[in-house]
Amino acid sequence: DAGVIQSPRHEVTEMGQEVTLRCKPISGHNSLFWYRQTMMRGLELLIYFNNNVPIDDSGMPEDRFSAKMPNASFSTLKIQPSEPRDSAVYFCASSQGLAGRSDTQYFGPGTRLTVL
Amino acid sequence: AQSVAQPEDQVNVAEGNPLTVKCTYSVSGNPYLFWYVQYPNRGLQFLLKYITGDNLVKGSYGFEAEFNKSQTSFHLKKPSALVSDSALYFCAVRRQMEYGNKLVFGAGTILRVKS
Repeated sequence: DAGVIQSPRHEVTEMGQEVTLRCKPISGHNSLFWYRQTMMRGLELLIYFNNNVPIDDSGMPEDRFSAKMPNASFSTLKIQPSEPRDSAVYFCASSQGLAGRSDTQYFGPGTRLTVL
Repeated sequence: AQSVAQPEDQVNVAEGNPLTVKCTYSVSGNPYLFWYVQYPNRGLQFLLKYITGDNLVKGSYGFEAEFNKSQTSFHLKKPSALVSDSALYFCAVRRQMEYGNKLVFGAGTILRVKS
């Protein structure tokens, strides 16, 4: 398996622009997680899905952030409009979810976002 | 609520010496515990997990972790450190939710192995 795939790997944009991050989970995994990592705040869980349904979005910082999972093999995290404080590395992870025994999550390589 | 704590921001060890990265947990019920490693500019990689059974869990890259119920700890260990082990290490615990479980991560511990 190719593992969790994220695109783009790097994104540089200007304040006010829309940013869309993409994730393809491991085939057969039912849960998908979006995290954000910064030096100041560490690793934060933004939102997670189970069977394509958002379960907990309490970590989404503002209404500027939205996430969708239209099918089992694709998810997006959108920021509109973007701000410099959104600069971070965004990770996607997937797990077998309730079908699995341990909930081991497997992470993608991340998208490094820089908002100028 | 389930949580983990990593009391050390950084651990320094000489190459060839044993290393320990500490983690304590707070869980109601039986804990599911994990260790992940993050190398620079990479995603987190799963190292090992404890569900039930033997208190000594072996994982990738020669790492192992010891589950201690009385001390509510799950310390990561390696008998002989390598410079290439230098990375950021995260402890995590599973939090059960009604419609889907998630992992709660610690703040992370930087491990520096010097030659």
